[in-house]
Amino acid sequence: AQSVTQPDIHITVSEGASLELRCNYSYGATPYLFWYVQSPGQGLQLLLKYFSGDTLVQGIKGFEAEFKRSQSSFNLRKPSVHWSDAAEYFCAVADSGAGSYQLTFGKGTKLSVIP
Amino acid sequence: DSGVTQTPKHLITATGQRVTLRCSPRSGDLSVYWYQQSLDQGLQFLIHYYNGEERAKGNILERFSAQQFPDLHSELNLSSLELGDSALYFCASSVRSQAGGTEAFFGQGTRLTVV
Repeated sequence: AQSVTQPDIHITVSEGASLELRCNYSYGATPYLFWYVQSPGQGLQLLLKYFSGDTLVQGIKGFEAEFKRSQSSFNLRKPSVHWSDAAEYFCAVADSGAGSYQLTFGKGTKLSVIP
Repeated sequence: DSGVTQTPKHLITATGQRVTLRCSPRSGDLSVYWYQQSLDQGLQFLIHYYNGEERAKGNILERFSAQQFPDLHSELNLSSLELGDSALYFCASSVRSQAGGTEAFFGQGTRLTVV
């Protein structure tokens, strides 16, 4: 069964600093990979996705992620964090070979931003 | 706004009761997925319906059931509620991307509190 690991439960960065959130997945074939963001009391918003092709994907709000098959990783990055980026971030994987594309989520990384 | 509508936003009910959560997918989306988000289990896939038919089941309890109606809205029925069922319940509808994968759009969720 597929699984997703987000090793960092909570990360604190200063506004303007760079950010990298880690995500490792376990899956036999090429997965579909996603990053979602959840603000307090809100739903999940898709930041970016990887299906195939270029391993560096650009998303909304200035985020990007790089798929590294050799490391089974899909880390999320942002060069300069804004206070409004404080939220919880979830990495997710979907089975590309199935007829149902349900998502398996990591436990999430909570991001705090110091002004 | 993702275009996915969930009602009600909040629900407080007593143990042993039964509730129904409703989800209207984005216009044209045939798939509806239900997820549960709790503090101890994180985000877990419950069930997937496609055009009225059940496609996949995840960690859904026997006390829980779902259906998708001809107009494509879906309902999640939770019965014999226990304190541990308190959680945020999300539904998502999905569309097949031009890149080959599928992208899920999440509603704002229904927060269920069992007292």
